[in-house]
Amino acid sequence: EAQVTQNPRYLITVTGKKLTVTCSQNMNHEYMSWYRQDPGLGLRQIYYSMNVEVTDKGDVPEGYKVSRKEKRNFPLILESPSPNQTSLYFCASSPPGSSPLHFGNGTRLTVT
Amino acid sequence: DQQVKQNSPSLSVQEGRISILNCDYTNSMFDYFLWYKKYPAEGPTFLISISSIKDKNEDGRFTVFLNKSAKHLSLHIVPSQPGDSAVYFCAASDPGTYKYIFGTGTRLKVLA
Repeated sequence: EAQVTQNPRYLITVTGKKLTVTCSQNMNHEYMSWYRQDPGLGLRQIYYSMNVEVTDKGDVPEGYKVSRKEKRNFPLILESPSPNQTSLYFCASSPPGSSPLHFGNGTRLTVT
Repeated sequence: DQQVKQNSPSLSVQEGRISILNCDYTNSMFDYFLWYKKYPAEGPTFLISISSIKDKNEDGRFTVFLNKSAKHLSLHIVPSQPGDSAVYFCAASDPGTYKYIFGTGTRLKVLA
């Protein structure tokens, strides 16, 4: 089944404790992206990647890192999480060009 | 600055009637527009898209209309069904930056 898989689905952590949210897709898509969803703000793009070893900032990249060493994986790294990063995170992928994004089921992160 | 706007946070419609969800955008360079549906605890699911060279695209009960001069798109759902109750996001693709920019969402409730 074609899908985007995120792990974990739920995560509670404390301020400053480094964490990684994994994202993997099995559709051989070049484009991958991370979004966060917050009430009243919709989906805001954090980082995106056009292909392996090619990443770029979205609209809200502060406090996040990403890497794209393999085509299928696009982990989101929070080196020192803060409470304002408490949010619902989505990973997505798509083929190149004008194509729909395929989303994972989300990771709900709480930073205390 | 919100480049894609959904000004109605919520909408209620009777089952069997038409649902019309609206979206406005500011960047005339956007060339591809999409609508997504999101249920609680799931990732957004692609519904329908339209290229900027078209003004209408239809898929079953769903039709998207694009008015480039007004920088406005709308999603029509006919007839509306209770299972259509969800949050709907519109999105636009920026060909210059390869970003997908989302609106803040409209919560649709279809009343049985």
